[in-house]
Amino acid sequence: QLQLQESGPGLVKPSETLSLTCTVSGGSISSSSYYWGWIRQPPGKGLEWIGSIYYSGSTYYNPSLKSRVTISVDTSKNQFSLKLSSVTAADTAVYYCARHLPAAAGTSWFDPWGQGTLVTVSS
Amino acid sequence: QSALTQPASVSGSPGQSITISCTGTSSDVGGYNYVSWYQQHPGKAPKLMIYDVSNRPSGVSNRFSGSKSGNTASLTISGLQAEDEADYYCSSYTSSSTPYVFGTGTKVTVL
Repeated sequence: QLQLQESGPGLVKPSETLSLTCTVSGGSISSSSYYWGWIRQPPGKGLEWIGSIYYSGSTYYNPSLKSRVTISVDTSKNQFSLKLSSVTAADTAVYYCARHLPAAAGTSWFDPWGQGTLVTVSS
Repeated sequence: QSALTQPASVSGSPGQSITISCTGTSSDVGGYNYVSWYQQHPGKAPKLMIYDVSNRPSGVSNRFSGSKSGNTASLTISGLQAEDEADYYCSSYTSSSTPYVFGTGTKVTVL
């Protein structure tokens, strides 16, 4: 059964870079058709798609975050990562990773999701 | 791209049916059959309940069903149970610059 697990610092200072890794187990990150995505949820608020990556390295991002976001993949470790630069308090959120089947595949959903990790931006 | 519009809360008694709406535009909900629904219990990760408007993943109860009419998608929960109390989010592919958008979320309360 496919499982995803986020890891990384829970506290980041303003203006610094948030870095998270998602480790995929129970399946290969190199599976065809699937992308791997990051979604975040500020405390008490709704979900926001950040971006997604294919195992080949092809990416697409939410335009509202694109200038600050980098998503990368390491197939040898079955992991993909998120970097968000110049963070502010508004970036405080629970960050989730998820397997993503994009619309180009003729269907679209996010499943399964990792348990999520809270990242707080504060000095 | 704005979030899809959902009612803030919906409630029902055990055994009843409730419906949660998700309103978008012709650029998202109305234009594509790529609407999905997620259930989120407090402190937990979202769980896929419905994809492509009306398809249920393996393991999801058939008490959950989805539909769409025009720019509005709907999630119906029949035979409401205490365990259904959670937040529910819709999501859709969009033709805007942000290809994936979520709804504002609906809190379901079982009375």
